[in-house]
Amino acid sequence: GAVVSQHPSRVICKSGTSVKIECRSLDFQATTMFWYRQFPKQSLMLMATSNEGSKATYEQGVEKDKFLINHASLTLSTLTVTSAHPEDSSFYICSARKTGGKEAFFGQGTRLTVV
Amino acid sequence: KQEVTQIPAALSVPEGENLVLNCSFTDSAIYNLQWFRQDPGKGLTSLLLIQSSQREQTSGRLNASLDKSSGRSTLYIAASQPGDSATYLCAVNGGNTDKLIFGTGTRLQVFP
Repeated sequence: GAVVSQHPSRVICKSGTSVKIECRSLDFQATTMFWYRQFPKQSLMLMATSNEGSKATYEQGVEKDKFLINHASLTLSTLTVTSAHPEDSSFYICSARKTGGKEAFFGQGTRLTVV
Repeated sequence: KQEVTQIPAALSVPEGENLVLNCSFTDSAIYNLQWFRQDPGKGLTSLLLIQSSQREQTSGRLNASLDKSSGRSTLYIAASQPGDSATYLCAVNGGNTDKLIFGTGTRLQVFP
């Protein structure tokens, strides 16, 4: 199988604090992981591409200093939302591909609410 | 810039009907196309992956076709069931960018 585990599934934080979301590939190695954001009843928007051992590549309009991505191992990527504000409230989803593979597998998503 | 559109945006049908969901993309230079299912508040479940060299893929009651030259894919669901109710998303992989570009989704409701 190919399981991607995302944690936490739901988090509520105060405005101004930082939140870390973890994305793990449980039974395969993933050189590349992707982070998406999804607003209610809308599709997924790619935020950044995370490459193991190197800097993430951010999509146009995504603030790299606000959304810190670290991909320190072949099975773990983290997304940290720094100084969170209510407008950052959203559903964040990660995906991973097996090294050399082309099919994408997705985590369960994280519902972030900033109050 | 690749754009992916899905029609219809929403669909409500009685149980047992055969369904066709449509996906179109503007740039035919894709590596593959993937169909996903998303339940409310959940992540995505991969349903079918079609490589650019393939015409269709089948899994159980699902059949996905791909016409790369015309920029279209369809997902056919046979004998729909209430458990099929979900949002269905298609996504294309542009190959050299290794990114998935998602469509707008079709919200499907199958009622008993």
